Amino acid sequence: AQKVTQAQTEISVVEKEDVTLDCVYETRDTTYYLFWYKQPPSGELVFLIRRNSFDEQNEISGRYSWNFQKSTSSFNFTITASQVVDSAVYFCALSAGTASKLTFGTGTRLQVTL
Amino acid sequence: DARVTQTPRHKVTEMGQEVTMRCQPILGHNTVFWYRQTMMQGLELLAYFRNRAPLDDSGMPKDRFSAEMPDATLATLKIQPSEPRDSAVYFCASGLTPYEQYFGPGTRLTVT
Repeated sequence: AQKVTQAQTEISVVEKEDVTLDCVYETRDTTYYLFWYKQPPSGELVFLIRRNSFDEQNEISGRYSWNFQKSTSSFNFTITASQVVDSAVYFCALSAGTASKLTFGTGTRLQVTL
Repeated sequence: DARVTQTPRHKVTEMGQEVTMRCQPILGHNTVFWYRQTMMQGLELLAYFRNRAPLDDSGMPKDRFSAEMPDATLATLKIQPSEPRDSAVYFCASGLTPYEQYFGPGTRLTVT
């Protein structure tokens, strides 16, 4: 069975602060994919990144960066110099084995204020 | 800019009525998913299709929910009869490979 844990329910930061959103996953499969999605107040789910289990390289995209560590089963997401537009709920998700379906974490609500 | 489209975006109905939600996957995508989002349960998979064939609908209440893909450009999710506990946002997602999913804007369903 697959499981994704996002222990942080809500985080509040002031603009320009860096913030890290934690994600811990569980799976017995050796082949799996990890995802992050953003859900802004408008409600849509915006794809941010996908990593496969064989690629542990960290990734940076602008102010966003992701740290994938198989040793701790974690796939953490850092926003550098946060902005008000980053305010949203962020979901970590896992897809493992032959099934394509995503197992989502419960989400972390990020509030960035001026 | 290819996107998944869903109709209607909002639906308010009375308990007992039939509800049909539609999804147009991104052209060429052969995998389609239906998810439901509620405050209590979060995001949960209801059903998914590959090449129009249902692969997993274990998350769907079978007595009242049904999902189909009449053709490659249309996926439908029906609830009959609807109940207040079905109130949620229903998302459709599609992908070209098994490990990518692009979500539609969702249908917000309210059953009174």
